[in-house]
Amino acid sequence: DADVTQTPRNRITKTGKRIMLECSQTKGHDRMYWYRQDPGLGLRLIYYSFDVKDINKGEISDGYSVSRQAQAKFSLSLESAIPNQTALYFCATSDPPGGGAYTDTQYFGPGTRLTVL
Amino acid sequence: GENVEQHPSTLSVQEGDSAVIKCTYSDSASNYFPWYKQELGKGPQLIIDIRSNVGEKKDQRIAVTLNKTAKHFSLHITETQPEDSAVYFCAASMENQGGKLIFGQGTELSVKP
Repeated sequence: DADVTQTPRNRITKTGKRIMLECSQTKGHDRMYWYRQDPGLGLRLIYYSFDVKDINKGEISDGYSVSRQAQAKFSLSLESAIPNQTALYFCATSDPPGGGAYTDTQYFGPGTRLTVL
Repeated sequence: GENVEQHPSTLSVQEGDSAVIKCTYSDSASNYFPWYKQELGKGPQLIIDIRSNVGEKKDQRIAVTLNKTAKHFSLHITETQPEDSAVYFCAASMENQGGKLIFGQGTELSVKP
């Protein structure tokens, strides 16, 4: 979805390096998420943010940190990259449901393929 | 916490045949079950969803069924076409968990012309 962009699209880095993956959205959504995708494991939630001041850990937050710079921007950092963080990373956004609904559709970016050597 | 199991991991069908992907979930409190399709080089995209107060939902060639007692739900694609080839993910969510989704492991569907 072009409304959710991720940079870079591909990144190769070395063990121990600090890297940042960036996500921007023009959908005006309050909620943003970071997932990693590994073959055979599906998508696993790293961090999520329901607004600029609300950031929460997901299933697999160890080794990662995030920053919500604005409603439209949510960055994921690997403080000291290790090889088992090699994966496909996705950012997603959603809006709190209204009209009595209790959950929301998530819109995913195109992904960042990260390789840690 | 919630755990979602998805089967099969790969599925190959002939064009025009039907395809069925199955998921089971562990937490009976889960009440929202979306299905996402991921095409090569792209992010997942919602194709259909179902809530726990409904047993079946259809949208043209795709349908989803939910059995709350058995805690499983399935995606059915009829009259498959080559453009249906993709990776499909099921997911589960609970009302008191906001928008957090727990995903299954994914199914790679290949539709052969």
